[in-house]
Amino acid sequence: GAGVSQTPSNKVTEKGKYVELRCDPISGHTALYWYRQSLGQGPEFLIYFQGTGAADDSGLPNDRFFAVRPEGSVSTLKIQRTERGDSAVYLCASSRTSGTYNEQFFGPGTRLTVL
Amino acid sequence: AQTVTQSQPEMSVQEAETVTLSCTYDTSESDYYLFWYKQPPSRQMILVIRQEAYKQQNATENRFSVNFQKAAKSFSLKISDSQLGDAAMYFCAYKERSQGNLIFGKGTKLSVKP
Repeated sequence: GAGVSQTPSNKVTEKGKYVELRCDPISGHTALYWYRQSLGQGPEFLIYFQGTGAADDSGLPNDRFFAVRPEGSVSTLKIQRTERGDSAVYLCASSRTSGTYNEQFFGPGTRLTVL
Repeated sequence: AQTVTQSQPEMSVQEAETVTLSCTYDTSESDYYLFWYKQPPSRQMILVIRQEAYKQQNATENRFSVNFQKAAKSFSLKISDSQLGDAAMYFCAYKERSQGNLIFGKGTKLSVKP
């Protein structure tokens, strides 16, 4: 079946611009996660949704970052006034639920480059 | 706060040989999960193996096995009969039972020599 998909695969933008990154989870998965992976680092948690609501947004670095999941499926990560330090691979994952153990399936990520 | 440490930035192994990747973690919790993920150049994270903290028996998945030492907070990955396709970044990760997110280490780059 279809896995987690993310679009675009690569995004190049200029400092100060606004960007949106999209994640399509596996059908039927109620939990969705966003991670950021900087060069040479492991993924760092940003936010996760259980259904339509953000269950934990403690990883968002500042108020320039925002994510939505209005219908409990597709999610969009939004970054305002981008900075060069935002350059990273943004990974999305989904799981059947967030409780106990449910394997998180990852998408291929979006590589964001801020010039 | 929980942390995951991988002290080997790079490792190399000869094809068909065995290699062990190290991971230590810090937590005050008793109920959690530990994972090893593989990330090839395609960037897609793939779950290799997982271990539940309450299980004393070490997890095994074909050529992959772990050595879980709960008291020492150590969780190493052993890859037997290494294959060229095993070359990738390997990340150790931790998750509390009550939390949704994973906490990752910085990764170990594994090279496999033919």
